[in-house]
Amino acid sequence: GAVVSQHPSWVICKSGTSVKIECRSLDFQATTMFWYRQFPKQSLMLMATSNEGSKATYEQGVEKDKFLINHASLTLSTLTVTSAHPEDSSFYICSAAIGTTYEQYFGPGTRLTVT
Amino acid sequence: GNSVTQMEGPVTLSEEAFLTINCTYTATGYPSLFWYVQYPGEGLQLLLKATKADDKGSNKGFEATYRKETTSFHLEKGSVQVSDSAVYFCALSGGSNYKLTFGKGTLLTVNP
Repeated sequence: GAVVSQHPSWVICKSGTSVKIECRSLDFQATTMFWYRQFPKQSLMLMATSNEGSKATYEQGVEKDKFLINHASLTLSTLTVTSAHPEDSSFYICSAAIGTTYEQYFGPGTRLTVT
Repeated sequence: GNSVTQMEGPVTLSEEAFLTINCTYTATGYPSLFWYVQYPGEGLQLLLKATKADDKGSNKGFEATYRKETTSFHLEKGSVQVSDSAVYFCALSGGSNYKLTFGKGTLLTVNP
């Protein structure tokens, strides 16, 4: 149980275009979803926290207009990287939490390469 | 703010060797502490956790004890297997917002 999927698993896009990444909780309803970014040989950096039906809360230094997060249902959150640039190339990971628990279930991640 | 420092890898061991991965933290209040494991090509999985001082988390032969006096949560396993090869992340969650703060991760490679 508690499986989280991400789609796509990898994507290549051209500079200036936008790309959407989906995060789904497959067998549970996620009250809260988190989006992380991971650079090579670096830790996971929390980008934003989203609750179903409300606006996402972004961490300091994360551009909310560039990284659009939508949490339309209890099983789906999306991250859209708008006007992507090569420096946005990274590994993006989502996680989902159930109710008022601190335990997060992680997706397998999405590798984004911007050319 | 909160921070987690874990030993840098990579760590390479032979099968059945003893494993220690050090983790220390800085946090206000009383955080919960976690070890996550990331196998190649997979997402992070919770390996074990401890929610208060002196708690010992354990799973799959791995153990870690929440040491408040030394602000540490070192991961140990008495006899590693090839299948333990993965990246291990120490993390903490403090306060009521359930945000996780991660260490940089330690790559473990176990050779037969």
